[in-house]
Amino acid sequence: NAGVTQTPKFQVLKTGQSMTLQCAQDMNHNSMYWYRQDPGMGLRLIYYSASEGTTDKGEVPNGYNVSRLNKREFSLRLESAAPSQTSVYFCATSWGPGSNYGYTFGSGTRLTVV
Amino acid sequence: GQQLNQSPQSMFIQEGEDVSMNCTSSSIFNTWLWYKQEPGEGPVLLIALYKAGELTSNGRLTAQFGITRKDSFLNISASIPSDVGIYFCAGHAGNQFYFGTGTSLTVIP
Repeated sequence: NAGVTQTPKFQVLKTGQSMTLQCAQDMNHNSMYWYRQDPGMGLRLIYYSASEGTTDKGEVPNGYNVSRLNKREFSLRLESAAPSQTSVYFCATSWGPGSNYGYTFGSGTRLTVV
Repeated sequence: GQQLNQSPQSMFIQEGEDVSMNCTSSSIFNTWLWYKQEPGEGPVLLIALYKAGELTSNGRLTAQFGITRKDSFLNISASIPSDVGIYFCAGHAGNQFYFGTGTSLTVIP
């Protein structure tokens, strides 16, 4: 009964390093989302996947790539990390792109880029 | 993206006091949600509103979908220390939800 699981929970990277944030869900939801949360900025959408096999850019996609590996998993990749990408990253899921029942969030990955 | 303005940005209140916060937008939404985020965790859904004018309660929490469909309100009655956290509103339009910047609530015992 895990819901939405994000790994890792914490990460420190050096500028220029790459890493992949993982998200897996057991909700049987069709849509998955990646957000970043910065102080005073709320939640900003990076990328989303309306359904398996599709991905689309959100509000702040620059510097990121995503892969919808299967229905359960949606990963976020930073190819060359920059200090401006220091943030808390949340994965979220929903029944579908038009669903208005709300999103279920993971507990976040806290990333620091030095 | 859509702009949702939440106020106040932060609140410091005594335990037992009532709390009011709101969320406004220049856009019309067909659904309003309220989330709570505790330190170190992701947001958790508190209340969902689907109809203009709707008033919905969840324990000590009451939320309303504004009649203009451009705003929503959340009230917490008789606050307790575990109400501490950041409260986010979210409005649904098109194919996604848009989030407010949050109201940080501190409850002083």
